[in-house]
Amino acid sequence: ETGVTQTPRHLVMGMTNKKSLKCEQHLGHNAMYWYKQSAKKPLELMFVYNFKEQTENNSVPSRFSPECPNSSHLFLHLHTLQPEDSALYLCASSQDNFDSGALEQYFGPGTRLTVT
Amino acid sequence: KNQVEQSPQSLIILEGKNCTLQCNYTVSPFSNLRWYKQDTGRGPVSLTIMTFSENTKSNGRYTATLDADTKQSSLHITASQLSDSASYICVVSAGGNEKLTFGTGTRLTIIP
Repeated sequence: ETGVTQTPRHLVMGMTNKKSLKCEQHLGHNAMYWYKQSAKKPLELMFVYNFKEQTENNSVPSRFSPECPNSSHLFLHLHTLQPEDSALYLCASSQDNFDSGALEQYFGPGTRLTVT
Repeated sequence: KNQVEQSPQSLIILEGKNCTLQCNYTVSPFSNLRWYKQDTGRGPVSLTIMTFSENTKSNGRYTATLDADTKQSSLHITASQLSDSASYICVVSAGGNEKLTFGTGTRLTIIP
């Protein structure tokens, strides 16, 4: 195990539902990330939090709303999603984000989201 | 625009055989290059990380090479095992506080 857990592992939701994805890291890291992984496409960085503050929002639609109450927990709140939002959503953490290229990112197992 | 291209997209080999996966990048300025292994239904796990001055690095049966002049990297897997079946993702970091640039991955299947 990488020390990063995600729940739920699978989620099926309708376009009018509201749901949340949860990520928890047990590594003592200060930076956390949300990625979207679609079939045959590179991982897409969505959000970055460093010491609980959002430092990056990669032009993500407002139907995705992140929340980072502390350095160990990260949520992704979902509402009125579209079928094209179906993907694997990965959470990752690193020591911090001051030099994101140099530091190792540890990934969770992901949440497989299907929007019907 | 920073890009990472991997080839082949997919590969099937017999158990016990060797294989080599390729990664070409146009990331500038270059900082480091990582290879990740992603098992089905799991998150990516780092195999190797290489900086500009390193041209080869091994992790067990995995050996990564880097040619910073031609901007190419390869991941060689020796004596493949069924557990090597996974997607292998090449990730390149630019200098400074830049985002990582991910490749689309190579899907490797090992058959008995």
